[in-house]
Amino acid sequence: EVQLVESGGGLVQPGGSLRLSCAASAFTFSSYWMYWVRQAPGKGLVWVSRISSDGISTNYADSVKGRFTISRDNAKNTVYLQMNSLRAEDTAVYYCARAVDPGIRGVGYWGQGTLVTVSS
Amino acid sequence: QSVLTQPPSASWTPGQRVTISCSGSSSNIGTNNVYWYQQLPGTAPKLLIYSNNRRPSGVPDRFSGSKSGTSASLAISGLRSEDEADYYCAAWDDSLSGVVFGGGTKLTVL
Repeated sequence: EVQLVESGGGLVQPGGSLRLSCAASAFTFSSYWMYWVRQAPGKGLVWVSRISSDGISTNYADSVKGRFTISRDNAKNTVYLQMNSLRAEDTAVYYCARAVDPGIRGVGYWGQGTLVTVSS
Repeated sequence: QSVLTQPPSASWTPGQRVTISCSGSSSNIGTNNVYWYQQLPGTAPKLLIYSNNRRPSGVPDRFSGSKSGTSASLAISGLRSEDEADYYCAAWDDSLSGVVFGGGTKLTVL
């Protein structure tokens, strides 16, 4: 069964940084596009970023462009989200997700999420 | 507000058929595939429909998806109490170069 386990969330002050990790297992990680999607408390889903299977191509939501960086290590089956210059509005549960399959890039399978709280 | 438009809520009785709409534009639903997700209270989202109308293995055939032009729909037949959840549509947007989600529809089973 596909497993995506996020870690690295927590409480951080405005202007601070955090790095989220997502450890994948039970599938050929290097064949799949990977995503980060967030959900503020009581709100809907918002796409944050995605990265191609080989790590060469990346996309970001305008709200995080220039502050967040997505990366991956296919040898470690892990995708990362480096978050800098954090703001209160970045407070959310951050979900790691995998594409449906190697040929279908849409968001398919989700991890359980990690909570990021930006507050002084 | 969200790029894709969904009704914020819907209420139906068990056994009925409910349809949830998702309206977009030519840059997203009009040219790209639509995905639907179910989020039960306190849990992560789960893929229900991909590529407009395909179901992942394990998703009951009570759930079906369709797309026409710049709109899409999720239909749930034989509604059950365990279907009470938030439902989201999503698609790639060529203009924004990103994934766009609907605001979500909270389905209540009376």
